[in-house]
Amino acid sequence: ETGVTQTPRHLVMGMTNKKSLKCEQHLGHNAMYWYKQSAKKPLELMFVYSLEERVENNSVPSRFSPECPNSSHLFLHLHTLQPEDSALYLCASSQDLRSLAEAFFGQGTRLTVV
Amino acid sequence: GDSVTQMEGPVTLSEEAFLTINCTYTATGYPSLFWYVQYPGEGLQLLLKATKADDKGSNKGFEATYRKETTSFHLEKGSVQVSDSAVYFCALSDRGYQKVTFGTGTKLQVIP
Repeated sequence: ETGVTQTPRHLVMGMTNKKSLKCEQHLGHNAMYWYKQSAKKPLELMFVYSLEERVENNSVPSRFSPECPNSSHLFLHLHTLQPEDSALYLCASSQDLRSLAEAFFGQGTRLTVV
Repeated sequence: GDSVTQMEGPVTLSEEAFLTINCTYTATGYPSLFWYVQYPGEGLQLLLKATKADDKGSNKGFEATYRKETTSFHLEKGSVQVSDSAVYFCALSDRGYQKVTFGTGTKLQVIP
């Protein structure tokens, strides 16, 4: 039990679909993150939230839209994705931004864009 | 910018063999260094860390020593088990801990 739960675990979507990824943490953490994990590439930090406010957006295309309604939940809304967006999307949380390197990760959502 | 280079896998070992996974880094200043492990179907877990030169991080039988002179942080284990089969990521963090740079990961497969 990692304390960070992601749903769904697997998602197949067409390029014209709209879907959302959900992340929930019960660790009392104040910072939450979305990462993209692609084969043979380093993890890419996509979005950073601290106390429900977005503090970083690492040049992520607008077809990815994050939402953090409260400190326990984080969403990633997806629309008009491209096949190259297929990857494992990991959510993580940490006590605060200074604990980024010691974040707890969810199991990820394996996304396939067809 | 900062970067982390890991040996390419996969690494295949027999149970009870000695493991070394190489990691070298490029960074300005004095980063902290980390190893993470990702078991099949799971997210990443922090395995061990070292925050200054000559520090040795250790956990679950794994060890890594922060070598500033060779800018390396190689992961070692004396006797691997099948349950150690996973992908291992080396990473560094700047002193402010607000940025983490990961390597590409090394897959380890341990066979009985």
